[in-house]
Amino acid sequence: GNSVTQMEGPVTLSEEAFLTINCTYTATGYPSLFWYVQYPGEGLQLLLKATKADDKGSNKGFEATYRKETTSFHLEKGSVQVSDSAVYFCALTPISSGSARQLTFGSGTQLTVLP
Amino acid sequence: NAGVTQTPKFRVLKTGQSMTLLCAQDMNHEYMYWYRQDPGMGLRLIHYSVGEGTTAKGEVPDGYNVSRLKKQNFLLGLESAAPSQTSVYFCASSYSRTDYDGWQYFGPGTRLTVT
Repeated sequence: GNSVTQMEGPVTLSEEAFLTINCTYTATGYPSLFWYVQYPGEGLQLLLKATKADDKGSNKGFEATYRKETTSFHLEKGSVQVSDSAVYFCALTPISSGSARQLTFGSGTQLTVLP
Repeated sequence: NAGVTQTPKFRVLKTGQSMTLLCAQDMNHEYMYWYRQDPGMGLRLIHYSVGEGTTAKGEVPDGYNVSRLKKQNFLLGLESAAPSQTSVYFCASSYSRTDYDGWQYFGPGTRLTVT
């Protein structure tokens, strides 16, 4: 079956520090990969995505590259801000239409950025 | 567009009581999903639907029932609530097109406590 293993948190950084949150996956074939962000008290929002090997997803200064050889999709940001404090989820969905595009999530990583 | 909305936002139930959570989307999406979010476990799929009048079980379906009588609505029912169903419930929806990347739109969540 499909699974996502995500770096455990919580992660606490100072403003302007470099961020990496590790994510590795197990899946049949070549899934689409996503990072979702959940701000306090809110639902999940799509942060970025990649659909094939070597694709780089990017948004709001965050980046992640689809690495087929290492089955990884690590999230990075060069300089975090206090407003980036949130829970980050790595997720995948199979490409095949018969799966109803079910998402498999990692356990989430809580990020706190201190001023 | 309102996107994905959920009713109610909060609810407290006693063990054995029943309730229905309502999810509505105005994006004409074919697929809809119900998840529960528990600390340290990410999101787990309860039930999903690939179209009006269809439902299917996800990873953790026991104790829940669903219905999709209209394309825009997806209802989640608890017939006899148990403390183990204390959780935050999220609804999501997505397109079914084969050329679609597969990411899902999420509602704001319902926080349910069963005492």
